[in-house]
This record gives sequence, C-alpha cells and structure tokens, in this order.
Amino acid sequence: AQTVTQSQPEMSVQEAETVTLSCTYDTSESDYYLFWYKQPPSRQMILVIRQEAYKQQNATENRFSVNFQKAAKSFSLKISDSQLGDAAMYFCAYRSARRAGSYQLTFGKGTKLSVIP
Amino acid sequence: DAGVIQSPRHEVTEMGQEVTLRCKPISGHDYLFWYRQTMMRGLELLIYFNNNVPIDDSGMPEDRFSAKMPNASFSTLKIQPSEPRDSAVYFCASSLEGPKNIQYFGAGTRLSVL
Repeated sequence: AQTVTQSQPEMSVQEAETVTLSCTYDTSESDYYLFWYKQPPSRQMILVIRQEAYKQQNATENRFSVNFQKAAKSFSLKISDSQLGDAAMYFCAYRSARRAGSYQLTFGKGTKLSVIP
Repeated sequence: DAGVIQSPRHEVTEMGQEVTLRCKPISGHDYLFWYRQTMMRGLELLIYFNNNVPIDDSGMPEDRFSAKMPNASFSTLKIQPSEPRDSAVYFCASSLEGPKNIQYFGAGTRLSVL
C-alpha cells in the first residue's frame, strides 16, 4: 500500500517570502500522479498543482511550483511571493495510474501554513 | 458548473440517531468518492462509485455506514445508529474517468454526534 508523509505539521512564512513544504511517499509503482491540495479555513479542498510521474519536468502554476525527485520519492511544494490568502492546510496526495478503476487519493496528514504580515 | 454540492453543511445529532449526508457530483463525472477527515486519521477514503456502482467500500468503518448512488446526480452516506466517534468532516468528491483527472471536492459536512 502506498503511504504519503508530510513531516512538517506546521510552517510559517513572512508575506512576500518563499516557503517550501515537504512531502515524501512510498510506492513500488512506476506510474502515478501526485497532487497538492489546499484547505483554507472554509474547509473547501482546492487543487493547487498536479505532477505526472512520467514527466521529468516539474509542474508550475503561477506562484506555485514543485520539486519532484522520483528516485528519492520526494514531492515538495514551493510557494513564492507568499500572500495572506495562502494561509491554509496543505495536503500532499498520491494516486496510482496502473490499476484500472483504482483512482482513490492517498493523503498525507497535512502541513498548516501560516503567513505573517 | 456549481461544483460538487454537499448538504447539510453542518449536522449536530445525538448518539443513536440516523444521519444522512447528501452529495451532488459535477454533471458528467463518472466517479464519486466519499472521504472522512479527522484529526487522528487525516483524510481517508470510505467508498467510491463508478457509473453509480460501488467499486470499493473497504474503507467503510463498519456496518453502521452505508452509501448509495441511485443515479448519476445524487449520492447519500448514511450512518445508523450514529456514535460520538463518527464526529468528523465528511467530503464528497467527483472526477472524470482516468487517474490523471482531478478530483473536485465539495465543501464537506461537519458532523457532530453528541
């Protein structure tokens, strides 16, 4: 079974600065997808960014980018120019690409990000 | 599209009562997922459906939990009888066919069982 580990329960960053959230995962599969979801106080789970394991290029979405290290099974999220609205819980998630129909997400325990004005 | 819609937003009930949570997925999505979020266990999958058929219910904690999807636009998660340890946030999510497709989440139902 796959596991996802987020080793930083809480992080803080100064507004306009850069912060990196860590995520590692354990899998024996070679084909999979990785996601970062954001959960603000409103509780809504919002997709931040997605990475396909077969792509070497790191995904980028505006101020959000990832550092995907497949051999190390590491998938960190970098937030540049942090804004107050970035304050939230961030969840790393794994999804297998191999087994037909098995599309569930396996989540890490989350990292609570605070943004200091 | 309005996104995944869950109701109620909050539910407070007494131990032993029946609770029904509702979900309307995004129109056209083939998959529907029910997740539970607690402080202790984080986010965990309870059950998911493909084309209204339950595919994997191995995450359903016990027989007190049941889920149905009578049609493509509606699903329910029922707890009968409810217990205090069922208190959690329950999320519904939907997606199109294929592992690369994004799961879109509803706003969740916060359940408190007293």
